[in-house]
Amino acid sequence: NAGVTQTPKFQVLKTGQSMTLQCAQDMNHEYMSWYRQDPGMGLRLIHYSVGAGITDQGEVPNGYNVSRSTTEDFPLRLLSAAPSQTSVYFCASRRGPGANVLTFGAGSRLTVL
Amino acid sequence: DQQVKQNSPSLSVQEGRISILNCDYTNSMFDYFLWYKKYPAEGPTFLISISSIKDKNEDGRFTVFLNKSAKHLSLHIVPSQPGDSAVYFCAASVEYGGATNKLIFGTGTLLAVQP
Repeated sequence: NAGVTQTPKFQVLKTGQSMTLQCAQDMNHEYMSWYRQDPGMGLRLIHYSVGAGITDQGEVPNGYNVSRSTTEDFPLRLLSAAPSQTSVYFCASRRGPGANVLTFGAGSRLTVL
Repeated sequence: DQQVKQNSPSLSVQEGRISILNCDYTNSMFDYFLWYKKYPAEGPTFLISISSIKDKNEDGRFTVFLNKSAKHLSLHIVPSQPGDSAVYFCAASVEYGGATNKLIFGTGTLLAVQP
């Protein structure tokens, strides 16, 4: 089925460890983004990309890196995990930067001890 | 500052009755509004949307109303079904750097439809 695929679904890290959350979409969407969901905070935008080679910061970018080498993939890197990064992460894509409807992945639950 | 607010964290409704979920916003530049539905352990899925030039949009059991003067939108579900039990997020779109739209989400309302 076409859509947004995220891996892993669950991950436990120790403070200071690094890891990459993977995101791939097969809908040929130009725009991809990462959100985090925290209790009482809704969904907050971390980073986004309007096309291969183009990325920009969202509302809460600190502690995260992204890159976009292909249209399909948009990995999110945590270089030195902190307990404040314990959250559920969602990757989402849409047809273009001016479109409105996002398609979300199933989420990756990250716990940092 | 929370530009999109869902002041009710939860709502309980009897099966067959109407569910009304509310959302308030502060930014008059928002030009498009969406509702997303989220089941546990799944990603949000798009439900219904409305342009700022309209005041109502209907899709089956779901209707979204927009009151621009009050900066308020609501989602009506009639009749409510147990399968509608989920978290509902409202979102608002605003242009953010060139031709890029940014979606700002509310904090969500957990709807429980009792059989």
